[in-house]
Amino acid sequence: EADIYQTPRYLVIGTGKKITLECSQTMGHDKMYWYQQDPGMELHLIHYSYGVNSTEKGDLSSESTVSRIRTEHFPLTLESARPSHTSQYLCASSGESSGSLNEQFFGPGTRLTVL
Amino acid sequence: GNSVTQMEGPVTLSEEAFLTINCTYTATGYPSLFWYVQYPGEGLQLLLKATKADDKGSNKGFEATYRKETTSFHLEKGSVQVSDSAVYFCALQNQAGTALIFGKGTTLSVSS
Repeated sequence: EADIYQTPRYLVIGTGKKITLECSQTMGHDKMYWYQQDPGMELHLIHYSYGVNSTEKGDLSSESTVSRIRTEHFPLTLESARPSHTSQYLCASSGESSGSLNEQFFGPGTRLTVL
Repeated sequence: GNSVTQMEGPVTLSEEAFLTINCTYTATGYPSLFWYVQYPGEGLQLLLKATKADDKGSNKGFEATYRKETTSFHLEKGSVQVSDSAVYFCALQNQAGTALIFGKGTTLSVSS
């Protein structure tokens, strides 16, 4: 079954730790996205990728970095986590293979808490 | 630039009440419009969409019509259920097909 996965679902870590949030999709989508969702529920685009070896920063400045070495995988890394990084992170993908151009499919999210 | 404005919540209704969540947008050209729903502890799910003026998107009893003259895409449902309690996001995507621009979300709470 085609889907989009995020791990871990919940993560509590201490300040200064390096973390990687995983996102994988099995739909063959070329476009992938990371959104940050603040406690007030507003969503902000922080990174996107239109294909392998392509990554761009989004509208909201973020200290995180991403990579796209494989079509199905779009991990997000924080080199040194801080309490200000506490948030929900949502991964999404879209592509012509979805049967509906531009429709974005979202993963379940990772809720990150930095102490 | 492109933007989406939706009514602030929370919206609190009794079961079987009529629902309207207003959404207006600012965009150049002819964007595609979407409503997404987020249930507690989950990611977003596409609820409905419209890609051109006068299109009506519908799903699970929800409807929204793309009104270019009023730049609106209001979400409606004739009779809400407790299971409809969630956060609803209006979003637009420009013709270039880049990432979605979301409204701030409206929390709906339905009681029996």
